[in-house]
Amino acid sequence: DGGITQSPKYLFRKEGQNVTLSCEQNLNHDAMYWYRQDPGQGLRLIYYSQIVNDFQKGDIAEGYSVSREKKESFPLTVTSAQKNPTAFYLCASSPRGGAEAFFGQGTRLTVV
Amino acid sequence: GQQLNQSPQSMFIQEGEDVSMNCTSSSIFNTWLWYKQDPGEGPVLLIALYKAGELTSNGRLTAQFGITRKDSFLNISASIPSDVGIYFCAGDSNYQLIWGAGTKLIIKP
Repeated sequence: DGGITQSPKYLFRKEGQNVTLSCEQNLNHDAMYWYRQDPGQGLRLIYYSQIVNDFQKGDIAEGYSVSREKKESFPLTVTSAQKNPTAFYLCASSPRGGAEAFFGQGTRLTVV
Repeated sequence: GQQLNQSPQSMFIQEGEDVSMNCTSSSIFNTWLWYKQDPGEGPVLLIALYKAGELTSNGRLTAQFGITRKDSFLNISASIPSDVGIYFCAGDSNYQLIWGAGTKLIIKP
């Protein structure tokens, strides 16, 4: 089945460690996105990519990094520079930038 | 930057009631999207609107794209317990989506 897969569903890390969240899609979509969601809040854009080997910072990119080496994959690294990394992270893809986005199930990251 | 104002922030409703929520913006959008998010899950696309004035239904859900392209509403008829969740609106701008803060729907016991 076509879709967008995030893994793992739950992730625990010690403070000061970098951690990479996986996002894979087999929808042949050009655009991919990473959002952060805090409890009771809306979606805030971290990074987005409209095409392979290109990506742009969103509203809250500080402390995060991404790569887009393959069309299907858009991993997000939460670095130790991110001051408050505990959150729910959502990956999405769309046929093109600004079109309907389809979401993965999310990764809940807890830093202890 | 661009913002979408979504209201109400939350709603308490009785099962069987009709529900209405809306989004407004000072900017024009070419596309309006409505999503629903269940707890601990990613948002799911409910309805996509492409033309000013367009009215689209998806089962008990109806959404309209405002004639000025600066607003949209979502109606849910005869609400049921599984309608509980957070509803988001989104509009396309410069190849990315701008999101509302969400409307949380809660069914009164």
